[in-house]
Amino acid sequence: DAKTTQPNSMESNEEEPVHLPCNHSTISGTDYIHWYRQLPSQGPEYVIHGLTSNVNNRMASLAIAEDRKSSTLILHRATLRDAAVYYCILRGNAGGTSYGKLTFGQGTILTVHP
Amino acid sequence: GAVVSQHPSRVICKSGTSVKIECRSLDFQATTMFWYRQFPKQSLMLMATSNEGSKATYEQGVEKDKFLINHASLTLSTLTVTSAHPEDSSFYICSASSQGLANEKLFFGSGTQLSVL
Repeated sequence: DAKTTQPNSMESNEEEPVHLPCNHSTISGTDYIHWYRQLPSQGPEYVIHGLTSNVNNRMASLAIAEDRKSSTLILHRATLRDAAVYYCILRGNAGGTSYGKLTFGQGTILTVHP
Repeated sequence: GAVVSQHPSRVICKSGTSVKIECRSLDFQATTMFWYRQFPKQSLMLMATSNEGSKATYEQGVEKDKFLINHASLTLSTLTVTSAHPEDSSFYICSASSQGLANEKLFFGSGTQLSVL
């Protein structure tokens, strides 16, 4: 599985934008970049995903580098509810023994200050 | 949106007993389900992948006979921790996939906190 690298932790103030970086230099051409987040004692929650173009949804934006070796999750206005562990994960198509599984790295712990 | 229901949310059992955890996809057919475990302050570790109607595929180091997985229907997969011991105490999480495609978002259950006394 292609690996991702994220900072261990980041901090932000409420109502300010947050940029969470992710490096994935060994990404393959068919891998999608997925972001999930996990609040304490809960299962992960889908945030956003993309392939090449930047993506926007109601939760966040995803900026993907032109060479696809890095990406940035953007929370436009952080709230206290956004405090969570954010995981950047590469997902390929199911095939062979992969079954399209998600392999989690350590993620980034985001702390939001009031 | 699609929902994955996991039950129970919390279970306490005595050492040596078996515990069954259920994972259901509520509004879609899950051809594949993934089972993870998570220790405090650590990331999710994939244990096994189950496909409806076939044997589960276990990750390296995960004991097949200890963690029994059954995926008998397109909406239900179960994980049974057999002869549980205190070291099996962990947060177990399931996830369901309908297509296995790279651009499909996955939905996760809310997790099961297992405590073995």
